[in-house]
Amino acid sequence: TQLLEQSPQFLSIQEGENLTVYCNSSSVFSSLQWYRQEPGEGPVLLVTVVTGGEVKKLKRLTFQFGDARKDSSLHITAAQPGDTGLYLCAGALETSGSRLTFGEGTQLTVNP
Amino acid sequence: DTGVSQDPRHKITKRGQNVTFRCDPISEHNRLYWYRQTLGQGPEFLTYFQNEAQLEKSRLLSDRFSAERPKGSFSTLEIQRTEQGDSAMYLCASGTGAWETQYFGPGTRLLVL
Repeated sequence: TQLLEQSPQFLSIQEGENLTVYCNSSSVFSSLQWYRQEPGEGPVLLVTVVTGGEVKKLKRLTFQFGDARKDSSLHITAAQPGDTGLYLCAGALETSGSRLTFGEGTQLTVNP
Repeated sequence: DTGVSQDPRHKITKRGQNVTFRCDPISEHNRLYWYRQTLGQGPEFLTYFQNEAQLEKSRLLSDRFSAERPKGSFSTLEIQRTEQGDSAMYLCASGTGAWETQYFGPGTRLLVL
């Protein structure tokens, strides 16, 4: 069983559409990060959220941390082909110190 | 460029050979992490250092794997007697420990034939 469940696993949409990616767990996280990864490259940090209920915006991307710090969502408005990539959520468990636990990722394709 | 760097970017080796990867973290970061990622999966934690001290190792890190960070700066990850199952992307990340935010390097892709 995956500690962090991401959904959907695959998402193919048209340019201009909105989308939401979810990251869920039964465990509490002290912080949660979202990354985007291109093929053959390392993950690139998008945001860190640390407070329950926190909302952060990065241009067309909106990130939310659940009130109980067990889940998070990433919403993209008016998706563009340049948003195509693998989106990964990763959390630091309150009980496991410094290591990050990753979800399996959401592969997003935005078609022009 | 002051990001995390890794060398080599690609490595092809034959089963049974030893390989060593290097990671240079962001200079002011005292924490350095190693992860492994296989196709279709998120990265999995291997080990991490605070300065030169190796503070945590995953059960994934068999006795064929060893990591060092001798001067608290760069780190090396060695795999002895490689097996085909070791084929993966090996990722290094660094951070200061603040909210466990970690910055990743480009990775070393290993293929064991």
